[in-house]
Amino acid sequence: AQSVTQPDIHITVSEGASLELRCNYSYGATPYLFWYVQYPGQGLQLLLKYFSGDTLVQGIKGFEAEFKRSQSSFNLRKPSVHWSDAAEYFCAVGSSNFGNEKLTFGTGTRLTIIP
Amino acid sequence: DAGVIQSPRHEVTEMGQEVTLRCKPISGHDYLFWYRQTMMRGLELLIYFNNNVPIDDSGMPEDRFSAKMPNASFSTLKIQPSEPRDSAVYFCASSLEPGQAYEQYFGPGTRLTVT
Repeated sequence: AQSVTQPDIHITVSEGASLELRCNYSYGATPYLFWYVQYPGQGLQLLLKYFSGDTLVQGIKGFEAEFKRSQSSFNLRKPSVHWSDAAEYFCAVGSSNFGNEKLTFGTGTRLTIIP
Repeated sequence: DAGVIQSPRHEVTEMGQEVTLRCKPISGHDYLFWYRQTMMRGLELLIYFNNNVPIDDSGMPEDRFSAKMPNASFSTLKIQPSEPRDSAVYFCASSLEPGQAYEQYFGPGTRLTVT
């Protein structure tokens, strides 16, 4: 069964500082990996995804993530955070098997930005 | 496009009452997903449909929960009878055909409180 671990429940970062959110996955084959963001009172929004190819993927809002098969990781990064990045971030893994379109989400990391 | 539409946005009901949550997916999307989000259990997939047909309902907690999709533009999630432990935010999401099924577009959610 596929699973996702986000080891950091809450992270606080100063505005303008760099950010890295950790994500580890468990899946038997090549996974499909995603990062979603949830702003207060809203649904989830896709930031970026990895299906295959280049292991460094670019997303919206200046975010990027790197797939490292050897470490079973898909960490999210941003060089300089803005106050508007305060939100909850979810890593997710999907099956590459056609007919199983379920996503499994991690428990999320809440990001707080301080001035 | 208006995005995924959910109603009501907030629902407060008493234990034992029937609750119906509604969702209108993005036009043209073939997949529809129902999720539940709580502090304790995070984001859980309850059920998903492809072309109005339920594909996987293994996440539905028990027989008190039922979901239908009578046509491509409407789905309901019903809880009868409701219990306090059903209190959560329920999200509906939709996505396009296979290959892009993971780019899920989430609605704003329905916050359910059962007293």
